[in-house]
Amino acid sequence: GDSVTQTEGLVTVTEGLPVKLNCTYQTTYLTIAFFWYVQYLNEAPQVLLKSSTDNKRTEHQGFHATLHKSSSSFHLQKSSAQLSDSALYYCALSASNVGDNSKLIWGLGTSLVVNP
Amino acid sequence: NAGVIQTPRHKVTGKGQEATLWCEPISGHSAVFWYRQTIVQGLEFLTYFRNQAPIDDSGMPKERFSAQMPNQSHSTLKIQSTQPQDSAVYLCASSLARNTGQLYFGEGSKLTVL
Repeated sequence: GDSVTQTEGLVTVTEGLPVKLNCTYQTTYLTIAFFWYVQYLNEAPQVLLKSSTDNKRTEHQGFHATLHKSSSSFHLQKSSAQLSDSALYYCALSASNVGDNSKLIWGLGTSLVVNP
Repeated sequence: NAGVIQTPRHKVTGKGQEATLWCEPISGHSAVFWYRQTIVQGLEFLTYFRNQAPIDDSGMPKERFSAQMPNQSHSTLKIQSTQPQDSAVYLCASSLARNTGQLYFGEGSKLTVL
């Protein structure tokens, strides 16, 4: 079936060091778009990045991700983590086929903690 | 522009009582979604409306959960005979169209069932 798999659980990184959150997917749908959502403590999830173009780097707020259909991945990276990046991160796949309703498939979320 | 508004932000009920959660989507958004969020399960899809019509309720526990959208500015999620395992944050989201994947979430209603 269709699924999104993220780095599980908790990722801890020291401020200033690079961070990478993994996201891989499995789908039979033809048209796909990817999203990284971020949820800060006591706030609503919000879109951080989105992409539907293979091998094109997308950037926002210092984070970047590249959709690689060849490896079914959309990993989230940042070269220098900040304390304010501590949050819950969700990878999500929006998939659709011709004539079908599309669907949004979520990973389980990865909690990122950035330590001083 | 106001975002998605959810009320109440916190609700505590006793086991067996009813809980009703409200959502006001962003004006002009045609799709409304309800999700349940827990630490263990992450984001669980419950149900989805498009132009007020129920489209997909495949995530709804059939016996005690129901959702309605009586007008374009208002949706409700009702849980009858609440159980401790219903304790979660219930998130409402809206979007311009079903297949963008870009949802705008409210801050959620935290339900605690004692």
